[in-house]
Formats: sequence, structure tokens, C-alpha cells
Amino acid sequence: EDQVTQSPEALRLQEGESSSLNCSYTVSGLRGLFWYRQDPGKGPEFLFTLYSAGEEKEKERLKATLTKKESFLHITAPKPEDSATYLCAVHYTGGFKTIFGAGTRLFVKA
Amino acid sequence: DTAVSQTPKYLVTQMGNDKSIKCEQNLGHDTMYWYKQDSKKFLKIMFSYNNKELIINETVPNRFSPKSPDKAHLNLHINSLELGDSAVYFCASSQDIYAGHSYNEQFFGPGTRLTVL
Repeated sequence: EDQVTQSPEALRLQEGESSSLNCSYTVSGLRGLFWYRQDPGKGPEFLFTLYSAGEEKEKERLKATLTKKESFLHITAPKPEDSATYLCAVHYTGGFKTIFGAGTRLFVKA
Repeated sequence: DTAVSQTPKYLVTQMGNDKSIKCEQNLGHDTMYWYKQDSKKFLKIMFSYNNKELIINETVPNRFSPKSPDKAHLNLHINSLELGDSAVYFCASSQDIYAGHSYNEQFFGPGTRLTVL
């Protein structure tokens, strides 16, 4: 079954405490893996696109990496403003659909 | 300028009523989507249109009917609303669902919170 699983469900960090979020997927015909950030009461905001295993993308304190079965979102020295839900999504050839994971809620305490 | 806009932002209505949600994008994208986000924050695709043509139609009750009058607009009409329809509905757009991965980065609207009483 095609699915996307994110872990952990929630993550509480102290400001400056680096960590990683995981997204594992089981789909055939990957056309792209996407990371989004969602703040309460708002729509998801696009962060990164990854396509090839070994690919890496960076933006400020965030770095996304991709293997054949999973992706990691590394957060270096997070700040309270990084608190949000981070969503992983996979676009694949099965009907050209995009499946979203359930998200990881990140809380960063000052 | 708002890239993807939705109206209304909040919708409170009684069971059995019919309601519509409108979406517009000014990004020049070919593909538009409707997603439902339930109380557990899980985002699930409902429909997708590419150049006004319906291309994704998930297992959604036929009380839900999307309409795309042109590439920039995608509306969602819901008949005979039920309690279980309460959720946040998001509209999104991407450049071209059939093109390469970079063309499928989706841009989301602010959402419409639907509450059925």
C-alpha cells in the first residue's frame, strides 16, 4: 500500500538543541518528495523539493535529505519561531497523486 | 498579492444545507487541488483539475462536486451537509501535475473552516 509515515508525532526541543524529523515512504514511481511547514490556522507553506537519492537542500536552519526509502529534515540550532507542524508529501506515478504524511509537531522552547 | 485565495474563511451551517467554497490562484498554474484536513490534521486529497479537466477524484461522497470554470478557479459545492463534513478545506495549485518534480510544488490557500451543526 502506498503510504507516507512521519516520526515522531511531536518533538519538543530547547532553543539551540538540534534534531531531525523523519519521513519514510512506500510508493512506486517517486516523482518528488516535498516538505512543507504549517502554522496553526494557516495553509501549508512549501519548503523543499527532493527527487534523487542523495540529494540535499538547505534553507536557513533547515536541511532536507533523501534516500531511496526516507527523507530527513534536520533542524540546526532551532529557534522558537521554528515551532510549527512539518509535513512531508510524496508525489508518485500512481495516478499522479500526492500523499501527505500526518506531520510532526515541533515545539521549540526559549 | 495573495497567490491562492479562498472564500469564505469560516463557514458555519446546519446539517442538510448546501454550501460552496471558492478558490482562485493568480500564479498562472495549470493544476489545482482540493484537500480536506480533519481534526487530527491529516491532509487528504479530494480532487485535482489540470487545465479545467478533472484528473483526480478520490473516494469522496458524490455530495461533493468540484467545478473549474477556468484554469485560475476551482470551486467546491457540497450538498446535504453532514456532521462528518466538518473540517478545514484547503485549495492548492501547482505548475503542472504532469511535468517534472519541480512543477509539482504546491501552493496552498489559507483554508476554509467548515463547521456543520
